[in-house]
Amino acid sequence: DAGVIQSPRHEVTEMGQEVTLRCKPISGHDYLFWYRQTMMRGLELLIYFNNNVPIDDSGMPEDRFSAKMPNASFSTLKIQPSEPRDSAVYFCASSLGLAGVTETQYFGPGTRLLVL
Amino acid sequence: LAKTTQPISMDSYEGQEVNITCSHNNIATNDYITWYQQFPSQGPRFIIQGYKTKVTNEVASLFIPADRKSSTLSLPRVSLSDTAVYYCFSGGYNKLIFGAGTRLAVHP
Repeated sequence: DAGVIQSPRHEVTEMGQEVTLRCKPISGHDYLFWYRQTMMRGLELLIYFNNNVPIDDSGMPEDRFSAKMPNASFSTLKIQPSEPRDSAVYFCASSLGLAGVTETQYFGPGTRLLVL
Repeated sequence: LAKTTQPISMDSYEGQEVNITCSHNNIATNDYITWYQQFPSQGPRFIIQGYKTKVTNEVASLFIPADRKSSTLSLPRVSLSDTAVYYCFSGGYNKLIFGAGTRLAVHP
């Protein structure tokens, strides 16, 4: 298995532009997670899905952030409009069952976002 | 509100045993405790997971006391390649929470 796939690996954009991050989870995994990592705040859970349905989006910073999972093999995280404080590494992860309850998360390589 | 707390950094030397402890405030009854390792420019990678007492695999041991308010990751005989950031994680039925990470530096 190729593992969790994220694209792009790096993204540089200007403030106000729309940014779309993509994720392909491991085949057969029912859970998909989006995290943001910064030096100041560490790893923060933004949202997670179970069988394509959003379960907990309480970590989404504000209305500028949205996430979708149209099918079991694809998810997007969109920021519109982007701001410099959104600069971070965004990780996607997937798990076979609910992470933390016997199942582990498998992380993608991350997307490094820089908003100028 | 559940919270995990761990030391910011640790130093060790090759061949030594390293123990990293995390406190798990308000961990839910059914939640497991997991530890991850992260190298620069990579995503976190699973090391070990447990619920109570002791778990051992080929790379580490995990000690969880009966009250489950803490966990200790034990890395036997570390090498330079173990230099990384180590995260404790809990959640599942409760909020999914990573600790802030412990930066381990292994010296020759």
